[in-house]
Amino acid sequence: DAGVIQSPRHEVTEMGQEVTLRCKPISGHDYLFWYRQTMMRGLELLIYFNNNVPIDDSGMPEDRFSAKMPNASFSTLKIQPSEPRDSAVYFCASSLAIGQPQHFGDGTRLSIL
Amino acid sequence: EDQVTQSPEALRLQEGESSSLNCSYTVSGLRGLFWYRQDPGKGPEFLFTLYSAGEEKEKERLKATLTKKESFLHITAPKPEDSATYLCAVQARTNDYKLSFGAGTTVTVRA
Repeated sequence: DAGVIQSPRHEVTEMGQEVTLRCKPISGHDYLFWYRQTMMRGLELLIYFNNNVPIDDSGMPEDRFSAKMPNASFSTLKIQPSEPRDSAVYFCASSLAIGQPQHFGDGTRLSIL
Repeated sequence: EDQVTQSPEALRLQEGESSSLNCSYTVSGLRGLFWYRQDPGKGPEFLFTLYSAGEEKEKERLKATLTKKESFLHITAPKPEDSATYLCAVQARTNDYKLSFGAGTTVTVRA
């Protein structure tokens, strides 16, 4: 079975540019999560969707961050404008239901110069 | 606020040398405790879910146990391919979508 698919795997861009990260969840999973992982703060939840609807975005660090889920098989996380402190690995995860394990993609390693 | 503390931060083992990793947690009503394995450059890979004190789960050389305050991940006769970072996460009943992760234990197994 295909797992969670993220693209791109690596992104290097200059400060001020717009960055779009993409995620395809596991088919049939109703919950989608975006996380950020850094050495200093570990894994942090940014936002999660249930049936394509954003439920809790309290982890989104600033208004420069936005996320959408136009359909059950696709989600984006956008940063505009990007800043060097946004450099991190961004993970997407999906789960079948609340209380069920979340399954992670292999992440996007983002470097903002 | 939910808190998860993992120890030790790093563990170096000789192949065949069994050991345990600790995950201490504070949560207002535990829905579940999750163990993940993360290899360099990869996302966390799900290993186990534990729901109640006394519960145990096993997979190959790994065994996870749960008490009311902590969980242990026992690695029996480890092999080099068990080298990875092991992450523990808790999910509270009051916030039952959110996983609060610990910082992880990095295990290195030498042949």
